[in-house]
Amino acid sequence: DQQVKQNSPSLSVQEGRISILNCDYTNSMFDYFLWYKKYPAEGPTFLISISSIKDKNEDGRFTVFLNKSAKHLSLHIVPSQPGDSAVYFCAATLTQGGSEKLVFGKGTKLTVNP
Amino acid sequence: KAGVTQTPRYLIKTRGQQVTLSCSPISGHRSVSWYQQTPGQGLQFLFEYFSETQRNKGNFPGRFSGRQFSNSRSEMNVSTLELGDSALYLCASSLLAGAAGELFFGEGSRLTVL
Repeated sequence: DQQVKQNSPSLSVQEGRISILNCDYTNSMFDYFLWYKKYPAEGPTFLISISSIKDKNEDGRFTVFLNKSAKHLSLHIVPSQPGDSAVYFCAATLTQGGSEKLVFGKGTKLTVNP
Repeated sequence: KAGVTQTPRYLIKTRGQQVTLSCSPISGHRSVSWYQQTPGQGLQFLFEYFSETQRNKGNFPGRFSGRQFSNSRSEMNVSTLELGDSALYLCASSLLAGAAGELFFGEGSRLTVL
């Protein structure tokens, strides 16, 4: 049962344009959402996060939007750069019984073409 | 400061063997989590340790086990290896217990089971 879904395994955009990576979740109890970026042969690195009480968080070229009613979040990268080419993982945290669990999506491979 | 260090980076085993992977967290981090990454399943949570205690466990069989030492270093062990255990095993450390803290990942240990 995939609670965090990234339905697009890959995305290709032109340099300078906007990249929009999407993520859907099924559990309304998720309270915190994160995006991680992973280059080949490296571990994932934290990119940006958003609390469930917010609907937008911005950090430079990266903005995450959360639509709780639709159980949907998206990561916008503007403008996209070739160095942004990586696999992006959406993740969500769930607090149950006093402990927290982090659930990842399967990832979306972004390719930014020069 | 030094990042998360995982050893070995690459290893090849045969079915039925066992393997031990090691993770040294960032200095001062007491939480260590382990994830399995496979192409079809993305990042799947194995377990989390904090102050030598297992706080959380994912849905993996008992062949997967781990431990954490007093210096926060962690090991995970997989016994009776199966072909499907071939994957990238990622270790992540964080300052805080649980998923609320930002995770810092190592580069991973790539296990191939023949």
